Amino acid sequence: GENVEQHPSTLSVQEGDSAVIKCTYSDSASNYFPWYKQELGKRPQLIIDIRSNVGEKKDQRIAVTLNKTAKHFSLHITETQPEDSAVYFCAASANSGYSTLTFGKGTMLLVSP
Amino acid sequence: DSGVTQTPKHLITATGQRVTLRCSPRSGDLSVYWYQQSLDQGLQFLIQYYNGEERAKGNILERFSAQQFPDLHSELNLSSLELGDSALYFCASSVIGAGDEQYFGPGTRLTVT
Repeated sequence: GENVEQHPSTLSVQEGDSAVIKCTYSDSASNYFPWYKQELGKRPQLIIDIRSNVGEKKDQRIAVTLNKTAKHFSLHITETQPEDSAVYFCAASANSGYSTLTFGKGTMLLVSP
Repeated sequence: DSGVTQTPKHLITATGQRVTLRCSPRSGDLSVYWYQQSLDQGLQFLIQYYNGEERAKGNILERFSAQQFPDLHSELNLSSLELGDSALYFCASSVIGAGDEQYFGPGTRLTVT
């Protein structure tokens, strides 16, 4: 089955800095890669996703890049703000059959004012 | 608000007991997923239902079972509860299945004493 590795497990940045979280996946059939943000005690919220037919997608201060050859994808947050502090999860799934989302173990992002 | 609802919000029970968690998907979504999130753990996929039928199974214990009803709401039954079953249980829904955006409910926090 699919295996998703996520790094780093903790990331501390100063407000205004950029943050990058990286994930690798094992199943070459995976072609859907969402990112979720989870604040303490709250539900995971889908913040951005990318499919294998594109290499990059941007939404305001967040962007995701995908390298299918290397089987890795990354989340980039620019101009970080304290409210970006949360746990971020990457995930991967194939777009067919009985495939389900496999999640990484999460990255705790701490943005200091 | 994702449109996915879960009840109850909190549940405290004793070891050996049985509980039922309930989830209502977003309007129009046919798939329901159940996840377990233990302290400092990522999201562990338990089971998926699509339009009333079991579609995929993850690391779900034999003591746990689920079903999806004709009105598409789903219930997760946990029996012979152990201390280690204490966790946040999330339900998510999507339109169909593989490759679709999944939207999470607020979760049920289960505490087994």
